[in-house]
Amino acid sequence: EAGVAQSPRYKIIEKRQSVAFWCNPISGHATLYWYQQILGQGPKLLIQFQNNGVVDDSQLPKDRFSAERLKGVDSTLKIQPAKLEDSAVYLCASSHGRNTEAFFGQGTRLTVV
Amino acid sequence: AQSVTQLDSHVSVSEGTPVLLRCNYSSSYSPSLFWYVQHPNKGLQLLLKYTSAATLVKGINGFEAEFKKSETSFHLTKPSAHMSDAAEYFCVVFNDYKLSFGAGTTVTVRA
Repeated sequence: EAGVAQSPRYKIIEKRQSVAFWCNPISGHATLYWYQQILGQGPKLLIQFQNNGVVDDSQLPKDRFSAERLKGVDSTLKIQPAKLEDSAVYLCASSHGRNTEAFFGQGTRLTVV
Repeated sequence: AQSVTQLDSHVSVSEGTPVLLRCNYSSSYSPSLFWYVQHPNKGLQLLLKYTSAATLVKGINGFEAEFKKSETSFHLTKPSAHMSDAAEYFCVVFNDYKLSFGAGTTVTVRA
């Protein structure tokens, strides 16, 4: 079974630039998550989708972050414009259903300079 | 509301000695609980899960955890630490669609 795929693995951008991350979840998984993990901290949920609907985006900085999950499969997370404090690893995860374990991708390490 | 508290930010053990990572949770409902491990520059890997079956859960690499409802705890243990166990460990509670992480415990293993 293929795992959660994310790209790119690494990205370096200047502040005020925009960036997009892509995630392909495990086939058949209805729930998709985007997490932000700042160095030395635990992952923080940014947004959670159930199929193509948003379940929770309460911690997403909506003035600069956006995410979509078209057709309930792939998802993209965008930051525009980026700030220095956005430097982090962005993790995508998916799960089959309610209260089941989540499977994580390798993450995208973003550095904003 | 739900939250997860990992009681130790850093645990250091000698190779071959037991490891104990402590986790307390709060949840309005009967939760699902997980432990994940993250090795440097690697993704998060599921160690074990509790989903209201047996309270003692066995995971990969010799780890196990015990769910204690009366103490709202889900501590992770391993009888004998190996050098390869050096990593970051996260306790996670999953309840009503929401997945919440603890702050993590860094494990170092001394030779």
